[in-house]
Amino acid sequence: DADVTQTPRNRITKTGKRIMLECSQTKGHDRMYWYRQDPGLGLRLIYYSFDVKDINKGEISDGYSVSRQAQAKFSLSLESAIPNQTALYFCATSDAGRTTDTQYFGPGTRLTVL
Amino acid sequence: AQKITQTQPGMFVQEKEAVTLDCTYDTSDPSYGLFWYKQPSSGEMIFLIYQGSYDQQNATEGRYSLNFQKARKSANLVISASQLGDSAMYFCAMRERNTGNQFYFGTGTSLTVIP
Repeated sequence: DADVTQTPRNRITKTGKRIMLECSQTKGHDRMYWYRQDPGLGLRLIYYSFDVKDINKGEISDGYSVSRQAQAKFSLSLESAIPNQTALYFCATSDAGRTTDTQYFGPGTRLTVL
Repeated sequence: AQKITQTQPGMFVQEKEAVTLDCTYDTSDPSYGLFWYKQPSSGEMIFLIYQGSYDQQNATEGRYSLNFQKARKSANLVISASQLGDSAMYFCAMRERNTGNQFYFGTGTSLTVIP
């Protein structure tokens, strides 16, 4: 089984709808991240969480909110989706504190907002 | 200022040849890590190789090596003996201790291996 899972894998929704993307991990990592990927822009950080009680805004948090329900679960919500939120969304985890530790990515959620 | 710069949006390489993907970084933190990830057309992000700021030798992992030039702040990925399966997007990333070990990604390089 994958260490980092995301649901749904694909989603098409309409402008104005609320949508939630979910992420679960079995790696036991404290740190979890949400990124969006757009062509030519690489990965941009939306929110990150260093533990259940520590949630921080990233580079592009406007229009998004998150919830860290448990160490293993980190959800991303779009309260009122708009077309320019169409993108590939990644959840990632990492161990705490060391620059040597890589991030582990989920398989991604492809979101289309019509 | 960009933390990670990848100046090659697209690269082509002949099968079995070597290719270098460029990455420069910007940091004043003496403690940092540099990473390369591969993203095939299926979309997943695959960790390839890591280089620490204090490492004296260039990192190697199979056909991947990292040409680390600290004074120039560059961390180029070298893929030897390219294979068709190497066709993908490649992202360079950095993790700094000063910023709570956040990750910063470049915009990526699309590599196409030509048969």
